[in-house]
Amino acid sequence: EPEVTQTPSHQVTQMGQEVILRCVPISNHLYFYWYRQILGQKVEFLVSFYNNEISEKSEIFDDQFSVERPDGSNFTLKIRSTKLEDSAMYFCASAVGTSGYTFGSGTRLTVV
Amino acid sequence: EDQVTQSPEALRLQEGESSSLNCSYTVSGLRGLFWYRQDPGKGPEFLFTLYSAGEEKEKERLKATLTKKESFLHITAPKPEDSATYLCAVQAYGQNFVFGPGTRLSVLP
Repeated sequence: EPEVTQTPSHQVTQMGQEVILRCVPISNHLYFYWYRQILGQKVEFLVSFYNNEISEKSEIFDDQFSVERPDGSNFTLKIRSTKLEDSAMYFCASAVGTSGYTFGSGTRLTVV
Repeated sequence: EDQVTQSPEALRLQEGESSSLNCSYTVSGLRGLFWYRQDPGKGPEFLFTLYSAGEEKEKERLKATLTKKESFLHITAPKPEDSATYLCAVQAYGQNFVFGPGTRLSVLP
């Protein structure tokens, strides 16, 4: 069964450093998303991406965050200057249409 | 503002003891209601999509139902491997998912 693949599975970074989280969506999917889940809290929407541009973003997705689809297969989330409160599981998801997401297994980001 | 609540927060069942999980929602124009299963440290795994009141979907020991204000996930004769957090999410037209906080289900052998 097709999967959404995320790397790395765990990333530890110093506060203030930049991190890039990587995702390989399912190949025929057109819609891409990033969500995050702080430990013990709800899954929260960050950003959606379609046709090589951001289609929607939440209040969480401020200027520290950016997304890119650099080569037609990878989909990346960059956090420019990490803060302690950025520590969370980050999930990538993709979909053919605008429903029925498939989620990846996530990247656990720990900011120290 | 779209909102999703789930109850109970946690549920402990004996193997074989059937029960139901509730998801209550407030959304302006429901496109779909989704149930996901999440194991610790993993991403949500898709279970069901429900689109209109009265709709029901089944998969193995799980059955999801939908009304205009809530959805139930019924679990019949659960097994220990059904232990997980069950997440409900709603999608309004043209918008992204709003997730509930989840119900943490433990099934004891």
